[in-house]
Amino acid sequence: DAGITQSPRYKITETGRQVTLMCHQTWSHSYMFWYRQDLGHGLRLIYYSAAADITDKGEVPDGYVVSRSKTENFPLTLESATRSQTSVYFCASRTGTANTEAFFGQGTRLTVV
Amino acid sequence: RKEVEQDPGPFNVPEGATVAFNCTYSNSASQSFFWYRQDCRKEPKLLMSVYSSGNEDGRFTAQLNRASQYISLLIRDSKLSDSATYLCVVKNNAGNMLTFGGGTRLMVKP
Repeated sequence: DAGITQSPRYKITETGRQVTLMCHQTWSHSYMFWYRQDLGHGLRLIYYSAAADITDKGEVPDGYVVSRSKTENFPLTLESATRSQTSVYFCASRTGTANTEAFFGQGTRLTVV
Repeated sequence: RKEVEQDPGPFNVPEGATVAFNCTYSNSASQSFFWYRQDCRKEPKLLMSVYSSGNEDGRFTAQLNRASQYISLLIRDSKLSDSATYLCVVKNNAGNMLTFGGGTRLMVKP
């Protein structure tokens, strides 16, 4: 299916475990983003990527790792999950052209216990 | 100070009312502006871009005031289906990143 998809939609993991959230887009958009959304903070940028093999930190990168070996995939890994990383994670993509829309995946609701 | 600030609300309005939201941004180098809508437990979706001259899309009007660094969204003739959180979004050309405000919650009541 065309679009941007995230998996899993829901995940419960234990403190200290590594967990990877997947994001896949079919439009060949150059830019991809990972946000987390928490009550009282809104959407905060974790990492973004301008193209394959190019990634950069956002506002809250600590504890997260990303990679982008292929244009269509942008996985986010929590190396050692902490309870403070309990959140809803959104992946997004857009072209590099100014004023173009960013499209969001449906989100992954992650709970760290 | 947050880069993009919004009144979190909620704004409780009756059907048919006109409601306005404001958003302020701190980075004067910001170049592109948007309003997104987010329904409960769903992903944000673009409502409209905001252009310097102001723009209208049906019942929705967006305006930009660069001198005062604020963006507004006006919704006329509110519908029950307008109930959602409205996110103000700013893009700085330097990094092509979108910065989101915390959102304003709107509840339209019968």
